Amino acid sequence: GALVYQYPRRTICKSGTSMRMECQAVGFQATSVAWYRQSPQKTFELIALSTVNSAIKYEQNFTQEKFPISHPNLSFSSMTVLNAYLEDRGLYLCGARDWESQNTLYFGAGTRLSVL
Amino acid sequence: GDSVTQKQGQVTLSEDDFLFINCTYSTTTYPTLLWYVQYPGQGPQLLLKVTTANNKGISRGFEATYDKGTTSFHLQKASVQESDSAVYFCALVDKGGNYKPTFGKGTSLVVHP
Repeated sequence: GALVYQYPRRTICKSGTSMRMECQAVGFQATSVAWYRQSPQKTFELIALSTVNSAIKYEQNFTQEKFPISHPNLSFSSMTVLNAYLEDRGLYLCGARDWESQNTLYFGAGTRLSVL
Repeated sequence: GDSVTQKQGQVTLSEDDFLFINCTYSTTTYPTLLWYVQYPGQGPQLLLKVTTANNKGISRGFEATYDKGTTSFHLQKASVQESDSAVYFCALVDKGGNYKPTFGKGTSLVVHP
């Protein structure tokens, strides 16, 4: 089956520092990866969509300068939160889709970011 | 742009009750509609999806019908169990070139034994 692993599961960083999170697809080829942030109220915010061999598309209010993303192959993606502050807290979810199920995203368990 | 509306923030039921979670959508395209379920401490899991209008998706006792006329995709289950307690998200994916999954705000289901 299609599985997505995210690590770390939880992380705490000091205000103004940066934190990198990773996303690994197992059992399928992740042609596209969507990074979301989920608020405590459970609302999803789409940060960016990354498709192999295409430019990464960032949503309004999110920039490459703040959330640089790497998607070097069909099984791995990473995102860094640069200069994290309190408003960056939340659960960061990675959703990946494959060739066969183009409209289905498989999610990891997320990386929960706390900022002190 | 696309949008998904879930009117109910929380639904509280007892075991064996009938479940109905409201979901309506708005789009100018021909989307795929999905329901995801998120258990505490986990990421969202696909529950069911329907790619064609007027079709029904069924999984684990849950069902939802893609109703293009009323632009709805309500989730139902005849008899809920305590283990169904989770947050349920309705989602829409544009099948065209602009792939951008859109999620509703989620409905928290609490089932009491």
